[in-house]
Amino acid sequence: QVQLQESGPGLVKPSETLSLTCTVSGGSFSSYYWTWIRQLPGKGLEWIGNIDYSGRTNYNPSLKSRVTISVDTSNEQFSLKLTSVTAADTALYLCARLGGWFDPWGQGTLVTVSS
Amino acid sequence: QSVLTQPPSVSGAPGQRVTISCTGSSSNIGAGYDVHWYQHLPGTAPKLLIYDNNNRPSGVPDRFSGSRSGTSASLAITGLQAEDEADYYCQSYDSSLGVFYVFGTGSRVTVL
Repeated sequence: QVQLQESGPGLVKPSETLSLTCTVSGGSFSSYYWTWIRQLPGKGLEWIGNIDYSGRTNYNPSLKSRVTISVDTSNEQFSLKLTSVTAADTALYLCARLGGWFDPWGQGTLVTVSS
Repeated sequence: QSVLTQPPSVSGAPGQRVTISCTGSSSNIGAGYDVHWYQHLPGTAPKLLIYDNNNRPSGVPDRFSGSRSGTSASLAITGLQAEDEADYYCQSYDSSLGVFYVFGTGSRVTVL
């Protein structure tokens, strides 16, 4: 059974770079797209972007200028970097597998942007 | 940036039937793109509930059902149980503005 686990700092200072990693276990890493999604406080879910095994990416236009998603196939991990963060980037960040729909998901990691 | 609209809250007594609507537009649901539904209990991983409008993954009770018509979709929960108290999100694909995947605003289901 495929499982995903997010990891990374829970606190990031304004103007700095948010960096998170999602580790995939249980197989199928090469067969799907892998996605980052975030839930802003009191709001719904927002798709950030996704990447496939070969490194092909798609990004949400609203975040594209600040987002980089990369993949580490040897460790079956993919990562998110979001630059120049502000308090508006405070959110629960989730990773998920994309194969027509998002399934499964990680539990998410809360990232707070504050000095 | 939710482009799919859901009611903020839905409630019902145990055993009742509740429905959650998901209203989109001609660039997403109305364009024929499939709708998927997720259940999220805070602190846990969101769970796929319905895929491709009306299909349940293995392990999801048949109390949950989905439908799509025109620019909208809906999720129905029959025989409401206390464990169904959670947040529910619809999701589809959107062909405009380069935003591939869009979610609903989310609905909190409360079991009275």
